[in-house]
Amino acid sequence: DTEVTQTPKHLVMGMTNKKSLKCEQHMGHRAMYWYKQKAKKPPELMFVYSYEKLSINESVPSRFSPECPNSSLLNLHLHALQPEDSALYLCASSSQGGRYGYTFGSGTRLTVV
Amino acid sequence: QKEVEQDPGPLSVPEGAIVSLNCTYSNSAFQYFMWYRQYSRKGPELLMYTYSSGNKEDGRFTAQVDKSSKYISLFIRDSQPSDSATYLCAMSKAAGNKLTFGGGTRVLVKP
Repeated sequence: DTEVTQTPKHLVMGMTNKKSLKCEQHMGHRAMYWYKQKAKKPPELMFVYSYEKLSINESVPSRFSPECPNSSLLNLHLHALQPEDSALYLCASSSQGGRYGYTFGSGTRLTVV
Repeated sequence: QKEVEQDPGPLSVPEGAIVSLNCTYSNSAFQYFMWYRQYSRKGPELLMYTYSSGNKEDGRFTAQVDKSSKYISLFIRDSQPSDSATYLCAMSKAAGNKLTFGGGTRVLVKP
């Protein structure tokens, strides 16, 4: 299995809602990432988990809360988002040795209304 | 100045032509170099991965890294309309570390 699976594919939420994005990989990768991508821009790093521990937080607002329950799963909890948070949210994983690059999921397209 | 520079295009070529893409970077600490293809509203797909300097070939794709010039390239031979997409270069300083992306080049292969 060489895939990173993200659910849901699309999400529309109000500014007072709480929702979660989910990411799963079964490649044995021990590093997992959340990226945010706005239209016509490259992905921007939000969080890095290494061996299920948060190792990088790129000064992301607290309305985004990551969680890594185990080595295969990564969640992103969303609360009180703003319309400008609408974007494609991408999950990626890599082996700790990084030998084979970083594998991205198809993303969750989030719209905040 | 951005750490990684990439011409945004669009780059328009006829079917069957060679597509030539490149990125320049400023930080000599980058060691791992990648090229991704991204179709509209989809996640990036890893095409090529190279560690340090050198060439790597995989099917129609050839990646080159010249660390002395801080310059990386991707060549696509026998281009097809299905190659029409945005191509992103990316690099990292250490394995399993943050990826730094170029801005992406939009490529259009015309039948």
